[in-house]
Amino acid sequence: QTVVTQEPSLTVSPGGTVTLTCASSTGAVTSDYYPNWFQQKPGQAPTTLIYSTNNKHSWTPARFSGSLLGGKAALTLSGVQPEDEADYYCLLYYGAWVFGGGTKLTVL
Amino acid sequence: QVQLQESGPGLVKPSQTLSLTCTVSGGSISSDDSCWSWIRQPAGKGLEWIGRICISRISIQNPSLRSRVTILIDTSKNQFSLNLSSVTAADTAVYYCAREYDSWGQGTLVTVSS
Repeated sequence: QTVVTQEPSLTVSPGGTVTLTCASSTGAVTSDYYPNWFQQKPGQAPTTLIYSTNNKHSWTPARFSGSLLGGKAALTLSGVQPEDEADYYCLLYYGAWVFGGGTKLTVL
Repeated sequence: QVQLQESGPGLVKPSQTLSLTCTVSGGSISSDDSCWSWIRQPAGKGLEWIGRICISRISIQNPSLRSRVTILIDTSKNQFSLNLSSVTAADTAVYYCAREYDSWGQGTLVTVSS
């Protein structure tokens, strides 16, 4: 069973920068895994921030960016806002999709 | 961006089949070679991918659920559906449908209980 691992929780100060990562039990994450990143706030459906590693949707704030970093997929938030406090999930493609366990981001 | 809406029973008895439909509006389900997924989330837990169907009608399921999952597409109704058989309490969750991966439904809570 393929496992996708994210940091369970991270804390960042307003205005700061934080990087969330997404690792695969099968080895290095590459663009062939089409990494997606989602934001979910309490009681809401997820929204897609990033698709195919580093592509943004029209609604994705500019402070969010996706990349590959050290064999992992990464989501970087620069200039964090209080409204960025949420759960973040990555999703990787192995012929079937697999979600990471999610990262709870606290802005404090 | 299309709109998606899940519908179906909110309560299912153990051992029965959970059936949900996702209705797509604001665009054709058969356009742009799109693929359509079902995802679920138990209360307080993370997201779990259930399966997908593409306009080619090729369907892929989560290996852990494969034997119980059927996903179909009805282009005439602009809908796709999920059937999950032999449900247990562990299948209680909010179920989401999505177009990979720009549009999501609001989710529907399905409780498995007698």
